[in-house]
Amino acid sequence: SQQGEEDPQALSIQEGENATMNCSYKTSINNLQWYRQNSGRGLVHLILIRSNEREKHSGRLRVTLDTSKKSSSLLITASRAADTASYFCATVPVTGANSKLTFGKGITLSVRP
Amino acid sequence: DADVTQTPRNRITKTGKRIMLECSQTKGHDRMYWYRQDPGLGLRLIYYSFDVKDINKGEISDGYSVSRQAQAKFSLSLESAIPNQTALYFCATSDLGLGSDTQYFGPGTRLTVL
Repeated sequence: SQQGEEDPQALSIQEGENATMNCSYKTSINNLQWYRQNSGRGLVHLILIRSNEREKHSGRLRVTLDTSKKSSSLLITASRAADTASYFCATVPVTGANSKLTFGKGITLSVRP
Repeated sequence: DADVTQTPRNRITKTGKRIMLECSQTKGHDRMYWYRQDPGLGLRLIYYSFDVKDINKGEISDGYSVSRQAQAKFSLSLESAIPNQTALYFCATSDLGLGSDTQYFGPGTRLTVL
C-alpha cells in the first residue's frame, strides 16, 4: 500500500501564482522526497528532506516537513506554464536494510498561461 | 546518453503472447525496480532487486516475472499477456547510500495488449 497521500489530487492555477501541494504519510520516515513527471515520461527527483529537517529550498521550490503531523508541503513560487506536470511525494521509512522508497498517487498541476 | 534506458519504448502485442521489457543502467546502482503506471492509480511496484542475487515481489507481481542478469540489467517478462496489463511501465534504479534511496527513472515503455 502507498505510504504517502497527496492533496489535492488536481490543482489549476494561473501563471505567476504560487502552487501548494500537500502530502501526508503514516509511519515514521527517514526522509521524504518530491518527484515530478511530465506527461508520459519518467519521474524526476526534485528535492529530498530528511526527518531532522523542517524546511528546504531549491530554486523556486520550498519543501516543509512536520514529523509531528506526518505531513509535508511542496510550494512552487511564481509558477510557469512549464511547471504543468504531475507531482509525487515519496517516503523512505526509518532506515533498515530493506528500506525503500514508496510513492503516493500524485497531484496533477495545471498552470494556465 | 541516458543513465537508465528501456527497450522497447512502445510495444503492441496480442493476448497470450510472451513479451520482455528490458532495462539497462550506467549509474552503478545496486537497486533496480519495475513499476507500472495506470491513470489515477499512481505508480505500483511490480518487482524489485537490491542486488544481483536478490529478487523481491512488489504489490502487483502476479502475471509478471523478472531476471537480474547483471548489476546493470533488469528485465521484466509477461509470460502470457492480457489486456489489463496495458499500461506504462517504468524501470528505476537507486542507491541507498545515506539512506536516501533516491530513484532514477527510465523513459518508460508504453505497452498495449490487444
